[in-house]
Amino acid sequence: NAGVTQTPKFQVLKTGQSMTLQCAQDMNHNSMYWYRQDPGMGLRLIYYSASEGTTDKGEVPNGYNVSRLNKREFSLRLESAAPSQTSVYFCASSTGSGANVLTFGAGSRLTVL
Amino acid sequence: AQRVTQPEKLLSVFKGAPVELKCNYSYSGSPELFWYVQYSRQRLQLLLRHISRESIKGFTADLNKGETSFHLKKPFAQEEDSAMYYCALRASSGSARQLTFGSGTQLTVLP
Repeated sequence: NAGVTQTPKFQVLKTGQSMTLQCAQDMNHNSMYWYRQDPGMGLRLIYYSASEGTTDKGEVPNGYNVSRLNKREFSLRLESAAPSQTSVYFCASSTGSGANVLTFGAGSRLTVL
Repeated sequence: AQRVTQPEKLLSVFKGAPVELKCNYSYSGSPELFWYVQYSRQRLQLLLRHISRESIKGFTADLNKGETSFHLKKPFAQEEDSAMYYCALRASSGSARQLTFGSGTQLTVLP
């Protein structure tokens, strides 16, 4: 039982490049989330998916897109990376749409030069 | 909109001393409050939530609606308690029911 799996763990991009962070959960959770973690800012919600087929913006959605591919997978895409998107990204999932208790992935550290 | 404030970015205590990590919130309704913890090289995980009124690893937290606080306390800190602690709030109703996290407090327990 892997829980929440994120790939890649580390990535370095140049400004303007695009990339996709992948997330998969094997707990049959309905809801999935993408957060970014920055020093002094805590965790901020980028996008979430309350259930398969739906996605909604969180607190800091600009510069990102998401896809809920199926119940297991929720990807985060940076179309044109900027240095301000240098961060640690966490995927999480929960049983219900009301956030409830979150299960987190190990994180993906992204550096944009 | 709800807001969670953790006033201390860094907190150091000696082993065996009491520790209190502060969390204040602003929300007009009746919130759900949580503490999440991230140990070194481990994933962020739930420590406790106010509705359970439980003690986990010796930690307790009481929701004080009058002071809008949810401070995390432990009477005798241990070195293994060293970690980053996040307070989080979930609104009781409406569209903003996702978790809002504070900025975190890095706790170091010194030997």
